[in-house]
Amino acid sequence: SQKIEQNSEALNIQEGKTATLTCNYTNYSPAYLQWYRQDPGRGPVFLLLIRENEKEKRKERLKVTFDTTLKQSLFHITASQPADSATYLCAPTDTGRRALTFGSGTRLQVQP
Amino acid sequence: EPEVTQTPSHQVTQMGQEVILRCVPISNHLYFYWYRQILGQKVEFLVSFYNNEISEKSEIFDDQFSVERPDGSNFTLKIRSTKLEDSAMYFCASVVGGASTDTQYFGPGTRLTVL
Repeated sequence: SQKIEQNSEALNIQEGKTATLTCNYTNYSPAYLQWYRQDPGRGPVFLLLIRENEKEKRKERLKVTFDTTLKQSLFHITASQPADSATYLCAPTDTGRRALTFGSGTRLQVQP
Repeated sequence: EPEVTQTPSHQVTQMGQEVILRCVPISNHLYFYWYRQILGQKVEFLVSFYNNEISEKSEIFDDQFSVERPDGSNFTLKIRSTKLEDSAMYFCASVVGGASTDTQYFGPGTRLTVL
């Protein structure tokens, strides 16, 4: 069956450092993969989408990589700030499918 | 900036009662979704809706659930006879339509507590 794995342990880093979050998937051949941010008690907010033919995507301090051979996406936040503290969800999506299947998310805590 | 709104923010109900959760999607959007998140668990897809009919549903979306777009603005999720395990945050999302890669915009959620 399809499985999405994100590190369930919280990631604690110091302000200014780069945070790297991992999303691994099995039994998927996703056409694209999305990353969302979720704050406590709030709905997910879209951050970035990367397609299967793209190796890397950037948006301001965010960078996403997508390795279809390793079946893995890495999500980087450079120069992290306490305001980046949240849970980050990945959602690999098969071709033509619209519904999102999320991983369980990784909680990021940026210490000032 | 347009946003998805949901009411109520918190609903408390007794087991066996019917509840209706309401959503107002972004006005020019064509695809609508319901997701739920049980406390401490992941966000799970329930159902998608397009052109006044269900386009996809998950195993969770059984006969106890129904969706409706009663007018041009509201999108509702009805649970006919609530169970304790229906307690969760319910999120509505909308998409402008067209490509499957279009961004889903989520509402703030309704916290449903079944006693």
